[in-house]
Amino acid sequence: EAGVAQSPRYKIIEKRQSVAFWCNPISGHATLYWYQQILGQGPKLLIQFQNNGVVDDSQLPKDRFSAERLKGVDSTLKIQPAKLEDSAVYLCASRSTKETQYFGPGTRLLVL
Amino acid sequence: KQEVTQIPAALSVPEGENLVLNCSFTDSAIYNLQWFRQDPGKGLTSLLLIQSSQREQTSGRLNASLDKSSGRSTLYIAASQPGDSATYLCAASYGGATNKLIFGTGTLLAVQP
Repeated sequence: EAGVAQSPRYKIIEKRQSVAFWCNPISGHATLYWYQQILGQGPKLLIQFQNNGVVDDSQLPKDRFSAERLKGVDSTLKIQPAKLEDSAVYLCASRSTKETQYFGPGTRLLVL
Repeated sequence: KQEVTQIPAALSVPEGENLVLNCSFTDSAIYNLQWFRQDPGKGLTSLLLIQSSQREQTSGRLNASLDKSSGRSTLYIAASQPGDSATYLCAASYGGATNKLIFGTGTLLAVQP
């Protein structure tokens, strides 16, 4: 089966610009996660969707980050405006009713 | 606060050695614990998942143990190979509505040929 797809793989922007990331989960996976992984740290959950509803966005900086999952399939994560400290790898993961999460390759963001 | 830590941060061993990676968690009311592998420029791959009712899980040369009372998990890699070189992350889940994962900072393993 196809894995979790993410695009773009790399993005370089200047601070105060906006950027969007896209994720296509494994077919049939109802739960979708966005994680932020800063260099040298473990991934930190930003937001979790169950179908197209938000389950947990407690660690999402809502003044600049937004995410949506229309129709309960693909998802986009947006940053506007970006700050230097947003430089990180943004990982998307999906899960079926079982507990294992499957991760995409990530999008590497560099904010200059 | 629920935290996960991993020691050591980096480890270098010669090929063929057996090795142990350590993971500790502050809240012992764990639902399950997972070990992941992360290769450079890649996402995470799940290696083993241990339920709170289990003591260990095995897959090939990998064996993971869980001791809830001491707040510890270990990942044992037997007969290490250069292809095992990667970052290994452990993550604790506490169940509930979100069942979110709380990750450690990882151990960077280098197996020298």
